[in-house]
Amino acid sequence: GQNIDQPTEMTATEGAIVQINCTYQTSGFNGLFWYQQHAGEAPTFLSYNVLDGLEEKGRFSSFLSRSKGYSYLLLKELQMKDSASYLCALLSNDYKLSFGAGTTVTVRA
Amino acid sequence: GAGVSQSPRYKVAKRGQDVALRCDPISGHVSLFWYQQALGQGPEFLTYFQNEAQLDKSGLPSDRFFAERPEGSVSTLKIQRTQQEDSAVYLCASSLTPWTSGGLDEQFFGPGTRLTVL
Repeated sequence: GQNIDQPTEMTATEGAIVQINCTYQTSGFNGLFWYQQHAGEAPTFLSYNVLDGLEEKGRFSSFLSRSKGYSYLLLKELQMKDSASYLCALLSNDYKLSFGAGTTVTVRA
Repeated sequence: GAGVSQSPRYKVAKRGQDVALRCDPISGHVSLFWYQQALGQGPEFLTYFQNEAQLDKSGLPSDRFFAERPEGSVSTLKIQRTQQEDSAVYLCASSLTPWTSGGLDEQFFGPGTRLTVL
């Protein structure tokens, strides 16, 4: 199986930067995804990494290190609307998405 | 365009009742997934359809759970003799290409059905 660990909660100030870490234990996978989920809503795709390194998409960036079993999602210039749960998910070699429990980010004014 | 829709959004059932949850995927999407999301947890895979064929049902927790997609579009997840542990949000997702095509195709999620079993 895949053990995917994320912090449960994080709090940050509007305009600041927050980094959400995700560690995992798996024998192999095809890609690592990040989803955003507002309370009571559907998860929405943010980014994915296949190779090691940084992928930047506007205010959001995601990083992957396969050798270290580690990824992070970086949220810059935080806005109140960024308050949500952020889910790290692995796409396994048999193409199933396995999600972590999510990190609830609260942005304060 | 329309996204993935699910109905009902909320369902309350008495223990032992049967329920049926509907998913309308994005038109033309080949792949359809069902997930179960317990409170405070991430979604967990239940089953996968490629068009009308159910190719993977390894995540269904018991034989009380049954899913179908008879015409390769709308899908129904049925839970028989509901139990309290079935209380969760049931999410449906679709993607354009076959799941095992090797592409990292984005899955589009519906808003979910929140099932509460009393």
